[in-house]
Amino acid sequence: SQTIHQWPATLVQPVGSPLSLECTVEGTSNPNLYWYRQAAGRGLQLLFYSVGIGQISSEVPQNLSASRPQDRQFILSSKKLLLSDSGFYLCAWRRRRLIYGYTFGSGTRLTVV
Amino acid sequence: DQQVKQNSPSLSVQEGRISILNCDYTNSMFDYFLWYKKYPAEGPTFLISISSIKDKNEDGRFTVFLNKSAKHLSLHIVPSQPGDSAVYFCAASAITGNQFYFGTGTSLTVIP
Repeated sequence: SQTIHQWPATLVQPVGSPLSLECTVEGTSNPNLYWYRQAAGRGLQLLFYSVGIGQISSEVPQNLSASRPQDRQFILSSKKLLLSDSGFYLCAWRRRRLIYGYTFGSGTRLTVV
Repeated sequence: DQQVKQNSPSLSVQEGRISILNCDYTNSMFDYFLWYKKYPAEGPTFLISISSIKDKNEDGRFTVFLNKSAKHLSLHIVPSQPGDSAVYFCAASAITGNQFYFGTGTSLTVIP
């Protein structure tokens, strides 16, 4: 069966510090991978998605970047965090066929102080 | 521009009654729709889906209705249970697309 791992679960970081969130998927190959953010009182905002190694599409210009160094690994990074980067970050994967929808990770609560 | 909208941020329902959550979309190219349920501090979990070739899909207590002409879908939960209390997101995509577009969510509270 397929599983998705996302860590850490919670993170408190000072403004200006770097960020690295990691997501890995097991039990499948060549998945579509996604990073979403849920800010307080708001819906799910797509940040990045990737259809293959090294292929990253950015949906919202911002202080974050993403990388996919391996087929089942997706990393969300920032060089210098802003207060507005606080939120709940979710990694997700999807099979090639759309009808299966997304499977989400358990999320990371990031608080920038 | 929000292509998928959930205009009710919250909904309260008595246990045993019907919960109706609504979702509207603007992109006529969308032809696949999902509902997700999310508890605090957890990732969303898939609930039910519908494609544009259908107008109704049922799974136990959950039924999704799709009105393509109105660009509207709804999720019915009957009977509602306290464990259904969560935030519900609808999502839509074109079959040729790479991503789903999510609404802003509706927080459902089922009162015992």
